[in-house]
Amino acid sequence: EVQVIESGGDLVQPGGSLRLSCAASGFIFSSHGMNWVRQAPGQGLEWVSYISGDSNFIQYADSVKGRFTISRDNAENSLYLQMNSLRGEDTAVYYCARTPTPNVVGWVWLDPWGQGTLVTVSS
Amino acid sequence: EIVMTQSPATLSVSPEERATLSCRASQSISTYLAWYQQKPGQAPRLLIYGASTRATGLPARFSGSGSGTEFTLIISRLQSEDLALYYCQQYKSWPPTFGGGTQVEIK
Repeated sequence: EVQVIESGGDLVQPGGSLRLSCAASGFIFSSHGMNWVRQAPGQGLEWVSYISGDSNFIQYADSVKGRFTISRDNAENSLYLQMNSLRGEDTAVYYCARTPTPNVVGWVWLDPWGQGTLVTVSS
Repeated sequence: EIVMTQSPATLSVSPEERATLSCRASQSISTYLAWYQQKPGQAPRLLIYGASTRATGLPARFSGSGSGTEFTLIISRLQSEDLALYYCQQYKSWPPTFGGGTQVEIK
């Protein structure tokens, strides 16, 4: 079964840092781009970042550029999101999601999504 | 950034009736459009990509159509389990953007 599972969400103070992880299974991880998408409480969806299978192509939303860093470890089938200088508006459920088309660089649709991990930025 | 606008915000439909959801892009996106279903407390689930291709295992009562700037998701015979928020998403250009969602309620 193709599956992605996020972890690492927590309560953090404004200005603080947090690292999210996503463990993937059931597919050839290195062949697929991966993504982080977030959803603020009661709000819609916002694409945060994309990384290609070989990590050579990375994109960020303007709202997180310079503060967040996406990375992956293909040997460990894991995706990461390092979040620095956190703000209240970063409070959201963060979803890890796979780009389902293998060996294609670029963003398309997402499938599957993990269950999400909650990041709360508050003093 | 391409803005996606969904209508209506809330749709109330009787069981076995047809639900029609609309999604409009602020500029042409060809057929670079996906639809997702999000049930309460759950992650989004892919329904449609390429504007009209159903995801694996999706019941045939779900269908997508459209191109350019106007798109439609139809649930032909609404079931109680279809109660959910439905989002459209464009992937024509970065950043991929989502519509604000349509809440489907069972009348």
